[in-house]
Amino acid sequence: DQQVKQNSPSLSVQEGRISILNCDYTNSMFDYFLWYKKYPAEGPTFLISISSIKDKNEDGRFTVFLNKSAKHLSLHIVPSQPGDSAVYFCAASETGNQFYFGTGTSLTVIP
Amino acid sequence: DTEVTQTPKHLVMGMTNKKSLKCEQHMGHRAMYWYKQKAKKPPELMFVYSYEKLSINESVPSRFSPECPNSSLLNLHLHALQPEDSALYLCASSQVSGGSQETQYFGPGTRLLVL
Repeated sequence: DQQVKQNSPSLSVQEGRISILNCDYTNSMFDYFLWYKKYPAEGPTFLISISSIKDKNEDGRFTVFLNKSAKHLSLHIVPSQPGDSAVYFCAASETGNQFYFGTGTSLTVIP
Repeated sequence: DTEVTQTPKHLVMGMTNKKSLKCEQHMGHRAMYWYKQKAKKPPELMFVYSYEKLSINESVPSRFSPECPNSSLLNLHLHALQPEDSALYLCASSQVSGGSQETQYFGPGTRLLVL
């Protein structure tokens, strides 16, 4: 049972524009959400996180939005750069339990 | 410093070989994890060590044997693997296991090919 879903396997965006990656979850007990970025044949790199008590967290070009009522989170990257091309995984956890990863979205930023 | 190191980077082994994967972190984290990742799939949790004790084994076959010699090191011993075990093996660590707002930090992975 996939508790965290990323319904878009891929996304292409022009350099300089906004990239929006989406993630949906089913478990209302999740209280912490993270985004990881992964290059091929490398481990995931932690990007940004958000607690369930917030609805927005910003770090430079990266902003994560959380809509608890819709059980939806999104990652906004603006402006997008070619180096942002990677696979992005969202993850969710509930205190006392382990991570659940989404299936990933492959982002391509076109120069 | 949020670095987790893994060796080797690549490994090719036959089905009768015995090999070990190593993972190290010096962040003072007390939880360490092994994940397996196939292409275009999310990481799958295999094992969790909490304070050097195995706390979670996600029904992993016995041909994978984890070991945590101390709080900074995590090994994964491999024996009699199958070709379908070929994957990227990822190590991760976090301050504690199952804590509030825990972030897991991943190593670069070991790319394993079983022939």
